[in-house]
Amino acid sequence: GENVEQHPSTLSVQEGDSAVIKCTYSDSASNYFPWYKQELGKGPQLIIDIRSNVGEKKDQRIAVTLNKTAKHFSLHITETQPEDSAVYFCAAGNNNDMRFGAGTRLTVKP
Amino acid sequence: DTGVSQNPRHKITKRGQNVTFRCDPISEHNRLYWYRQTLGQGPEFLTYFQNEAQLEKSRLLSDRFSAERPKGSFSTLEIQRTEQGDSAMYLCASSLGDRGIAEKLFFGSGTQLSVL
Repeated sequence: GENVEQHPSTLSVQEGDSAVIKCTYSDSASNYFPWYKQELGKGPQLIIDIRSNVGEKKDQRIAVTLNKTAKHFSLHITETQPEDSAVYFCAAGNNNDMRFGAGTRLTVKP
Repeated sequence: DTGVSQNPRHKITKRGQNVTFRCDPISEHNRLYWYRQTLGQGPEFLTYFQNEAQLEKSRLLSDRFSAERPKGSFSTLEIQRTEQGDSAMYLCASSLGDRGIAEKLFFGSGTQLSVL
């Protein structure tokens, strides 16, 4: 089955800096790569996703890149704000399986 | 539309007791998923429904776990004879689509289970 590894486990940045979180996956059949943000006491919230026929996708300050050959994908947050502080999860999957990474705790210091 | 609703938010039980959690999905969503999340980990898929049909249940953690969605609307997850290792956050999600598990998921806030 799929195995997803996520790095780093914790990340601290200064407000206004960029943050990058990286994930690798093992199953070449995976074709869907979402990213979720989870705040304390809440369920994960989808922030951006990408399918395998696209190499990059951007939504305002958030972008995701996918390298299918190397089996890795990354989340980029620019101009970080304190409200971006949360735990971020990547996931990889297909119609029959989806696995989440262990999460990255992002802290944005004002 | 108030999003995915889960009840109760917290459940404390003694080992060996049965517990049941309820999930009300977003009303127009045809798919409903159950996930488990332990501290410091990402959500772990358990099972999902398309309308009232349970399409995948092999990932339920043991035969003590069962889920229903009798009328294709709300769902319940039951754990029988709870064990301390069952302590976790149980998340429900819903989606509208036809891509199986690879969908945009809308999660509820979860039910935190503590087994003493």
